[in-house]
Amino acid sequence: DAKTTQPPSMDCAEGRAANLPCNHSTISGNEYVYWYRQIHSQGPQYIIHGLKNNETNEMASLIITEDRKSSTLILPHATLRDTAVYYCIVRAKHGSGNTGKLIFGQGTTLQVKP
Amino acid sequence: DAMVIQNPRYQVTQFGKPVTLSCSQTLNHNVMYWYQQKSSQAPKLLFHYYDKDFNNEADTPDNFQSRRPNTSFCFLDIRSPGLGDAAMYLCATSRDHVGGNWNQPQHFGDGTRLSIL
Repeated sequence: DAKTTQPPSMDCAEGRAANLPCNHSTISGNEYVYWYRQIHSQGPQYIIHGLKNNETNEMASLIITEDRKSSTLILPHATLRDTAVYYCIVRAKHGSGNTGKLIFGQGTTLQVKP
Repeated sequence: DAMVIQNPRYQVTQFGKPVTLSCSQTLNHNVMYWYQQKSSQAPKLLFHYYDKDFNNEADTPDNFQSRRPNTSFCFLDIRSPGLGDAAMYLCATSRDHVGGNWNQPQHFGDGTRLSIL
């Protein structure tokens, strides 16, 4: 079962920052937080991941709270092409028999509007 | 350039007629995954290969099988498709865990949308 909770939908104005929240209150110390997005009729696209420190790359920033029970994905300047379903996933870091598999929840549908 | 390639993008088969979906990768990743995604739902893992070792999810129906003849290719076989098997099938790859940690992202293809007549 998915271990994350996300709002089902959000709107964002084009050019503004999109802040997508995720709750993962049962996350354990050996689990990463991963974010993927899926644009209609395409496969999921990796965005970013982190363990406990904030992370930034060319696509987005990931802010993880100190207690690691929640995180926020930030798209700094949303464009119409960022309209997609965004998935927040916790993924086991390691362990005997662990397969590194992703368990997707229902995600957040982000609609970027002109 | 596409790194995880799924062919065809759209596949139509008849009820009960076996069908095979293919996936190839240019990333030389040793782990390959197959997901099923039904309409308006999230992707659901069916099984994966860790090198040549096949790992089935507990709730994957027996109707679904997979083959991995080499590092680059992986196939999904549906032996007797039912109407409930109509879905998007996604292939993904990832590298082995680095330093004992699964900190390498999975890379997905664009999927094959399977329709059952």
